[in-house]
Amino acid sequence: SQTIHQWPATLVQPVGSPLSLECTVEGTSNPNLYWYRQAAGRGLQLLFYSVGIGQISSEVPQNLSASRPQDRQFILSSKKLLLSDSGFYLCAWSVYGNQPQHFGDGTRLSIL
Amino acid sequence: DQQVKQNSPSLSVQEGRISILNCDYTNSMFDYFLWYKKYPAEGPTFLISISSIKDKNEDGRFTVFLNKSAKHLSLHIVPSQPGDSAVYFCAARNAGNMLTFGGGTRLMVKP
Repeated sequence: SQTIHQWPATLVQPVGSPLSLECTVEGTSNPNLYWYRQAAGRGLQLLFYSVGIGQISSEVPQNLSASRPQDRQFILSSKKLLLSDSGFYLCAWSVYGNQPQHFGDGTRLSIL
Repeated sequence: DQQVKQNSPSLSVQEGRISILNCDYTNSMFDYFLWYKKYPAEGPTFLISISSIKDKNEDGRFTVFLNKSAKHLSLHIVPSQPGDSAVYFCAARNAGNMLTFGGGTRLMVKP
């Protein structure tokens, strides 16, 4: 069966520091991969998606970037975090067709 | 510009009664709709979905209804159980498997 792992579960970072969040998927090949952010009291906002290695599409302009160095690995990064980057970050995967996206357990990021 | 809206931020229901969660959308190009359930500090879990060519899909206690002319979908949970207490997100998919989420509705089922 397929599983998705995100780490760390929680992270507290100072303003201006770099960020690297990692997501890996097991049990499937060539998945579509997604990064979402849920700000406090709000819905999920799509940040990035990838349909293959090295292929990244950004949905909103921001202080973040994403990379997909391997088929089942998706990384969310920032060179300098802002206060507004605080939130709950979720990675998800899907296969093509009428299949739902499946989410990891998320990373709670707090910027101080 | 919110293409998917859940106008009720919270809903409280007595155990055993029906819970009805609503969702409205504006983009007629959405072809697939999903409901996710989310507990605190966890990722959303897929619950049920419906294709735009259908108007109803049922799975156990959960039924999703789609009214395309009104651009409205709803999730019915009957009977409601305390374990159903969570935040429920509706999502709509466009071509390319991109999901647009509503803001969520917090459901509280009282024993």
